[in-house]
Amino acid sequence: GDSVTQMEGPVTLSEEAFLTINCTYTATGYPSLFWYVQYPGEGLQLLLKATKADDKGSNKGFEATYRKETTSFHLEKGSVQVSDSAVYFCALITSGTYKYIFGTGTRLKVLA
Amino acid sequence: GAGVSQSPSNKVTEKGKDVELRCDPISGHTALYWYRQSLGQGLEFLIYFQGNSAPDKSGLPSDRFSAERTGGSVSTLTIQRTQQEDSAVYLCASSPGGTSLGETQYFGPGTRLLVL
Repeated sequence: GDSVTQMEGPVTLSEEAFLTINCTYTATGYPSLFWYVQYPGEGLQLLLKATKADDKGSNKGFEATYRKETTSFHLEKGSVQVSDSAVYFCALITSGTYKYIFGTGTRLKVLA
Repeated sequence: GAGVSQSPSNKVTEKGKDVELRCDPISGHTALYWYRQSLGQGLEFLIYFQGNSAPDKSGLPSDRFSAERTGGSVSTLTIQRTQQEDSAVYLCASSPGGTSLGETQYFGPGTRLLVL
C-alpha cells in the first residue's frame, strides 16, 4: 500500500543553520504531496504542498520539490529560526482518495 | 473565521469506561475526518464523512470505535470500553468538499486521551 517514510528525529540545529528533512514515498497513481507542521500545543497546519511532478511548494522560507524520479519530497530551509521548532509531517494523498497517508513526523529543535 | 475546534482538549479515563470526543468543523466544510496520533507513530486515518453520504469507516481499529455526524456539522467519536492502547491524540480535520485531488484538510488542536 501507499506509504511515507521520513527521517527520524529529533533534529537539533543552531539558529541560521540549513535544514533538510528527508521524505520519500511509495504510491500507486499520482499523489499530491504535503508538509504539515505542528507547533507545541497546536494543531497541524499545512506548510506547503505540491500536486504534480517537478512542482515546488514554498511557504515561510521552506521549500520542497516533488521529485517523481526519486519519489521524494524533501523539506528545506536555508536559515532556520528558533520559532521553527516543531514537528514536521510529510504526507500524501492519492488520486481519487481523500485519506492522507502521513509519515511518523520529525521533531526539529532550533537552538539560539 | 473560526477554525476546527475539538473538545475536550484532554481526557483521562479509566480502563473500561466509555468516552466521547467532539469535533466542530469549519463552517461550510462538508468533509470531516478523524485521525489518531499515537506516541511514536504517524497519524492514522480513522473515519471520513462527506455530506450525506455513508461514512468511510475503514480506518476504525475495532468495533469499540464509532462516530457520527449530526446535521452535517458536529461530529462525535465514541470509544467504548476503553483500553490502554487507545491512549493517543485524536485529531479532527475538515475540508471544503472532500473530493478534489490535493484538497487541503484543516486540523483541530486534538484531544489528548489517556486511559489508565
